[in-house]
Amino acid sequence: DTGVSQDPRHKITKRGQNVTFRCDPISEHNRLYWYRQTLGQGPEFLTYFQNEAQLEKSRLLSDRFSAERPKGSFSTLEIQRTEQGDSAMYLCASSSLTGTANGYTFGSGTRLTVV
Amino acid sequence: SQELEQSPQSLIVQEGKNLTINCTSSKTLYGLYWYKQKYGEGLIFLMMLQKGGEEKSHEKITAKLDEKKQQSSLHITASQPSHAGIYLCGADRDSNDMRFGAGTRLTVKP
Repeated sequence: DTGVSQDPRHKITKRGQNVTFRCDPISEHNRLYWYRQTLGQGPEFLTYFQNEAQLEKSRLLSDRFSAERPKGSFSTLEIQRTEQGDSAMYLCASSSLTGTANGYTFGSGTRLTVV
Repeated sequence: SQELEQSPQSLIVQEGKNLTINCTSSKTLYGLYWYKQKYGEGLIFLMMLQKGGEEKSHEKITAKLDEKKQQSSLHITASQPSHAGIYLCGADRDSNDMRFGAGTRLTVKP
């Protein structure tokens, strides 16, 4: 297992278009998290899953955002009708249920630019 | 307002110098994490502190947790250019997700 994978690494899209990002967590990790990070800021929590159940969603996650983890493995984050303010790095992380003594394992992120 | 305040926001040091980065929480800490991030990359886990007074080291990086003050410090001894990056502190919340400070950008001049 090579860690948390995110695809694509970079995405440039026109305002108003829909985009979808994928995250493949570490296979034995039950929990999966999505964060958004803008320049000069720390990651901001968006949502998290325990297996296939979405257990918490941030107020940052507007109606245009939706996340799924259909079989408790990979997850997708979709942004509909993208706006320039959506430009950011979208980070995915995973962790095990038994504890986070080793922290969350993060992917390399997907950098979204909305033009 | 941020739950986690980091200071300083940025730091420039000469290679070989020691430095300290601080992280203060406005809420009760259940666990405090330190991560390092290179520009445009994901976060790399450094260490986690859970108990008051706990101190952990990894190579030349040492982190301490003062539970009463709800504060942690990260100390780098004899800094090297490879230490450059953004250092982020993160804290567990009782709802099982982690929140982060804004980060400290470290530049090490050779």
